[in-house]
This record gives sequence, structure tokens and C-alpha cells, in this order.
Amino acid sequence: EAQVTQNPRYLITVTGKKLTVTCSQNMNHEYMSWYRQDPGLGLRQIYYSMNVEVTDKGDVPEGYKVSRKEKRNFPLILESPSPNQTSLYFCASTKALAGEQFFGPGTRLTVL
Amino acid sequence: KQEVTQIPAALSVPEGENLVLNCSFTDSAIYNLQWFRQDPGKGLTSLLLIQSSQREQTSGRLNASLDKSSGRSTLYIAASQPGDSATYLCAVEFLLTGANSKLTFGKGITLSVRP
Repeated sequence: EAQVTQNPRYLITVTGKKLTVTCSQNMNHEYMSWYRQDPGLGLRQIYYSMNVEVTDKGDVPEGYKVSRKEKRNFPLILESPSPNQTSLYFCASTKALAGEQFFGPGTRLTVL
Repeated sequence: KQEVTQIPAALSVPEGENLVLNCSFTDSAIYNLQWFRQDPGKGLTSLLLIQSSQREQTSGRLNASLDKSSGRSTLYIAASQPGDSATYLCAVEFLLTGANSKLTFGKGITLSVRP
């Protein structure tokens, strides 16, 4: 089944404790993105990647890192999480520029 | 600045009603427009994708239209059902310089269909 998977789905952590949210797609898509969704603010792009080893900042990249060492994986790294990073995170992929976007199920992160 | 607006933020209708959800965007230079459905606390499910060269797309009881010149799209839901209750998001892929693009989301319309 073609899909985007994220792990973990739920995470509660404490300020400053490094964490990684994994994202994987099995559709051989070139483009992958990370978004966060917050009440009243909608979905905002954190980082995106156009191919292996090619990444760029989105609208709200501060406090986040990403890597794209393999085409299928695009992990989101929070080196030192803070409470303002409490949010619902989505990974997405698309085959080509301006193609149909496929979203993962989301990761609900709480930083205490 | 490219923006996507969805008004109203919430809508409640009785079951069986045909309804239209609106989406407006500020720049006609777009690659495509995509409608998504999101259930509470869940991920986004793609409903319809309209390329910039197209005027509409249909899937079952859903029909989405696109008018680039006026910066508008509508999602038409025929014979609404309680199971259609969800948040509907409009996302526009704006064309940037150098063949780059930017996907921008509206804040969504939360639809409630009353039995």
C-alpha cells in the first residue's frame, strides 16, 4: 500500500531532550516536506527536500533540523525542544514539483 | 505575499443539503490547487487535485472548480451526510521564480452535518 508513515504517533517529552520524528514513504517520491499544525495558525511548512541531500527552509524552520540521506526517509530532528514546539506534525511527499501531496498520519508532540 | 483564505471558518448544515465550500487565493500564478479532508486529530486525506490548466475535477459526490483569474475555488458536496463532518482544507501550489513553488494552506472550514 502506497503510504507515508511517521513515528512516533504520540510523544511527550521534556524541554531540552533531543528527539527525532521519522518519516518514510514507499512511493519513490522526490519531494518531501514537514509541516506543523497549530490552532488558529493552520499548517505551516518547516522544511522541505527536493531530493537526496537537497533540503531547504520553509516558513518556520527555527529549532528544527532535517536530513535526507535516502530518498524514502526524511527525519525531523529537534535538538533542544521547547514548549513552543508542542504541536501536531505532518510529513508529506509528492512525486514531482506541483504534484499531488500525500500526508502521513501525524505526530502529536508535547514538550513539557 | 501568497495567501489562501477560507471563509467561513465553520459551517453547520442539515443532512441531505447540497453545499459549497469556498477558497480564495491572492495570486493567479499557480501550479495547482488541492482540497483535503481532515478528521479531528487525524492526518490529511487528499480529495481532489486541480491542475492550473483545468477548470474542475469530480469524485463521487464531490466537485471542485477552479477560476484562476478571480483567485477562487469551490468544493461542492452533493447530498451531504453526517459522515462528511470534518475540516476541509484548501491548499494552493503557488508558482515562484526559477520554477520553484510554494504550497500554502488555508486554515480550513469545519463542517458539521446534522442528522
